[in-house]
Amino acid sequence: KAGVTQTPRYLIKTRGQQVTLSCSPISGHRSVSWYQQTPGQGLQFLFEYFSETQRNKGNFPGRFSGRQFSNSRSEMNVSTLELGDSALYLCASSLVGTGANTEAFFGQGTRLTVV
Amino acid sequence: DAKTTQPTSMDCAEGRAANLPCNHSTISGNEYVYWYRQIHSQGPQYIIHGLKNNETNEMASLIITEDRKSSTLILPHATLRDTAVYYCIVRATSNDYKLSFGAGTTVTVRA
Repeated sequence: KAGVTQTPRYLIKTRGQQVTLSCSPISGHRSVSWYQQTPGQGLQFLFEYFSETQRNKGNFPGRFSGRQFSNSRSEMNVSTLELGDSALYLCASSLVGTGANTEAFFGQGTRLTVV
Repeated sequence: DAKTTQPTSMDCAEGRAANLPCNHSTISGNEYVYWYRQIHSQGPQYIIHGLKNNETNEMASLIITEDRKSSTLILPHATLRDTAVYYCIVRATSNDYKLSFGAGTTVTVRA
C-alpha cells in the first residue's frame, strides 16, 4: 500500500511569505503528526491531529498552524516566514494514534528554504 | 517521557553484527522502547519496539535488560545501506502521540 505522501518535496520562499505543506497519510491512518528537522535543533515535534482535532502541540510559535480534513489528510501552514524556518518538515501517520504500542510511519519530507 | 542516552557515533564492518546501546534508566513500567533510523535526507523509518521482552523482526532484534534501564538494538548482518542515524525513543502510554527524538547514534557501515 502507498506510504505517507508529502507535497511538495522542495520549496523556496522569501522572508515574510507564508507557506502551506500537505501530507496524505497511509490509507486508514487517522493520526497525523508534524515534525521540524534542522541541523541545530534536530527533530522536533510540531503538532498532532486525530479525527480533525489537534490533540498535542509542541513548543513552536503561533505562526505554525495545521489542520486535518475528514479524509485524514493534513496541512501545515507557516506564516510570516523567517530564515530560521528553513528546515525539513516531516509528516508521520499512525493507525490509531493512541497508546504507546503504535508505530509511526514517516513521509520523505518537504525541504523548505527561506531566502 | 524518559530521557535516553546513546553514543554519538559508531562504526561497523559490513557483514558483521552491529550492536547499538541505549540507556533509559528513568523509564517507567509502562513505557515502550522504540527504535527508528534515518538515512540521509529521508524520513525516519520505524525499526522495532518493545516493552520488556526481547523482540525480533525482519530488520533487527531488540534486547531489553531485565531492569529495563537499558536496551540494545542488534542489526544481525550490517550492510552499507544500514548507514544511518539510529534513534532510541521511550514513549509514554498516554494519548500523547509525540515522539521525542534525541541526537541518536550515527552508524557508519564500512566495506
